[in-house]
Amino acid sequence: GENVEQHPSTLSVQEGDSAVIKCTYSDSASNYFPWYKQELGKGPQLIIDIRSNVGEKKDQRIAVTLNKTAKHFSLHITETQPEDSAVYFCAASISSNDYKLSFGAGTTVTVRA
Amino acid sequence: NAGVTQTPKFRILKIGQSMTLQCTQDMNHNYMYWYRQDPGMGLKLIYYSVGAGITDKGEVPNGYNVSRSTTEDFPLRLELAAPSQTSVYFCASSLAGGYNEQFFGPGTRLTVL
Repeated sequence: GENVEQHPSTLSVQEGDSAVIKCTYSDSASNYFPWYKQELGKGPQLIIDIRSNVGEKKDQRIAVTLNKTAKHFSLHITETQPEDSAVYFCAASISSNDYKLSFGAGTTVTVRA
Repeated sequence: NAGVTQTPKFRILKIGQSMTLQCTQDMNHNYMYWYRQDPGMGLKLIYYSVGAGITDKGEVPNGYNVSRSTTEDFPLRLELAAPSQTSVYFCASSLAGGYNEQFFGPGTRLTVL
């Protein structure tokens, strides 16, 4: 099955700086890559996703890039704010197995004021 | 819309006891999922359902059972609780599979002693 690795496991940044989280996947057939944000005591919530036919996608301060050749994708958060502090999960899925998301282990992001 | 609701929020079980974790969604979603989240391990799929009357195993189904008699409800049953089932359980739903966003409930924290 699909194996998703996520790095780093923890990330501390100064408010206003950028944060980058990287994930690699094992199955070259994976074609959908969502990112979820989990705030303390809550369930994960989708913040951005990318499909395999797109190399980059941006939504305000958040962007995701995908390198299919290297089988890795990254989340970039610019101008970080205290409310960006949370656990972030990457995931990958294959359209032929479309209901099964394989999640990374998560990255705890702390934004220092 | 309440979205995805889960009960109870917390529960402590003794080894060998049984219980049912409740999950309800009011978005008329066809797909529903149960995940468990262990520290540093991301989310693992336990069971999923693509519609009423249809369920299938995920990555870690042992020790659990599910049913889907209605579109709205997807309960998860633990028959003989074991310490290894201590975890946070999340229910999620999506309109369909593929590129559709999964909406997560707030979670149930279960401890088996």
